Amino acid sequence: AQSVTQLGSHVSVSEGALVLLRCNYSSSVPPYLFWYVQYPNQGLQLLLKYTSAATLVKGINGFEAEFKKSETSFHLTKPSAHMSDAAEYFCAVSDRGSSNTGKLIFGQGTTLQVKP
Amino acid sequence: DSGVTQTPKHLITATGQRVTLRCSPRSGDLSVYWYQQSLDQGLQFLIQYYNGEERAKGNILERFSAQQFPDLHSELNLSSLELGDSALYFCASSGSRLAAVQETQYFGPGTRLLVL
Repeated sequence: AQSVTQLGSHVSVSEGALVLLRCNYSSSVPPYLFWYVQYPNQGLQLLLKYTSAATLVKGINGFEAEFKKSETSFHLTKPSAHMSDAAEYFCAVSDRGSSNTGKLIFGQGTTLQVKP
Repeated sequence: DSGVTQTPKHLITATGQRVTLRCSPRSGDLSVYWYQQSLDQGLQFLIQYYNGEERAKGNILERFSAQQFPDLHSELNLSSLELGDSALYFCASSGSRLAAVQETQYFGPGTRLLVL
């Protein structure tokens, strides 16, 4: 069975500081990994995804993530936080079980607070 | 705007009642996924349809059912509602069946259900 774990349900950074949101995965097959962002009262929007091409993945709004097989991690980073980055962030793995349907298995989410 | 629409945006009902949530996928997408987001369970996959046929089932209660119509819109039916069914219900769509595990799922804005 595949799963993801997000370390830290709340992360607080100052505007302009580095953003680091942690995600570790568990998978018996090469995983496909996703980061989604949810702004208040909105649906989820894809930030970036890893599908076994380059291990460093660049996404929208200046975010990037690095797939590290040895550490089973897919942490999300942004060099400089903006106030508009305040939201909830979800790491997800695509189910590659026998059905191979693409359903997403989500972590518990991390709320990012950006302080002025 | 993801291109996925969901109606209604909010729904307030009483225990024991039945409601129907509606989802229209992005133009051209054949797959529809339903997810439930609650404070205690997080984001959980419920069910997936592909081109009118059920493709995968997740943690969906027997009181819940879904279908996808020939025009590809989908409905999630929730019956004998309980207080614990209060949650945000998301629909997501993607295009391909063969590449489903790698594809981006586009999420609608959700339907917020409150059972009193």
